[in-house]
Amino acid sequence: DTEVTQTPKHLVMGMTNKKSLKCEQHMGHRAMYWYKQKAKKPPELMFVYSYEKLSINESVPSRFSPECPNSSLLNLHLHALQPEDSALYLCASSHRSRGAPLDTQYFGPGTRLTVL
Amino acid sequence: KQEVTQIPAALSVPEGENLVLNCSFTDSAIYNLQWFRQDPGKGLTSLLLIQSSQREQTSGRLNASLDKSSGRSTLYIAASQPGDSATYLCAVSNAGGTSYGKLTFGQGTILTVHP
Repeated sequence: DTEVTQTPKHLVMGMTNKKSLKCEQHMGHRAMYWYKQKAKKPPELMFVYSYEKLSINESVPSRFSPECPNSSLLNLHLHALQPEDSALYLCASSHRSRGAPLDTQYFGPGTRLTVL
Repeated sequence: KQEVTQIPAALSVPEGENLVLNCSFTDSAIYNLQWFRQDPGKGLTSLLLIQSSQREQTSGRLNASLDKSSGRSTLYIAASQPGDSATYLCAVSNAGGTSYGKLTFGQGTILTVHP
């Protein structure tokens, strides 16, 4: 099973709402990632978790709060977002976060977020 | 800072043609290079991963090559089909430092294969 699942598929929220995005994988991967992708742009890395610990934070605003409760789950908590945060949020996983030669990243289908 | 460039930005070909997508990167200190496919509004599908010590990888009609010293990779698609229409993204995994394991993506090539 090489599947990464993400819920919800679509999310519309106001600027005062609190919501969460969820990501799950059962491939035994110990590295998980959040990416943000704007229309017609490549994905941009937000966070990397390695063995359930945050290892990379790409200077993401605090209104995005990641959480890795166990080795299979990754959450992204959203609060007080801005309209410019509207994007496709992609989750990925790999065996390790070190980018070693065989560490293919597997991506989920994404959550399409719209902030009103 | 690693920069990845993909040429062309868009490509339209008739069905059955062989085609080449190009990717170049500025820092040769990489662990690997991946080619992904992305359909509109969807996630990324990994097509091929080439380790830094390898020269090429093949999967079906796809062949990817890597020339690490010159900072170039190509994705060759044989006998293109309309189902190959998608955006193709090249990404490199940087070695060492604070960029450990981070994927840097190119802007992508939008491929259209018409019947």
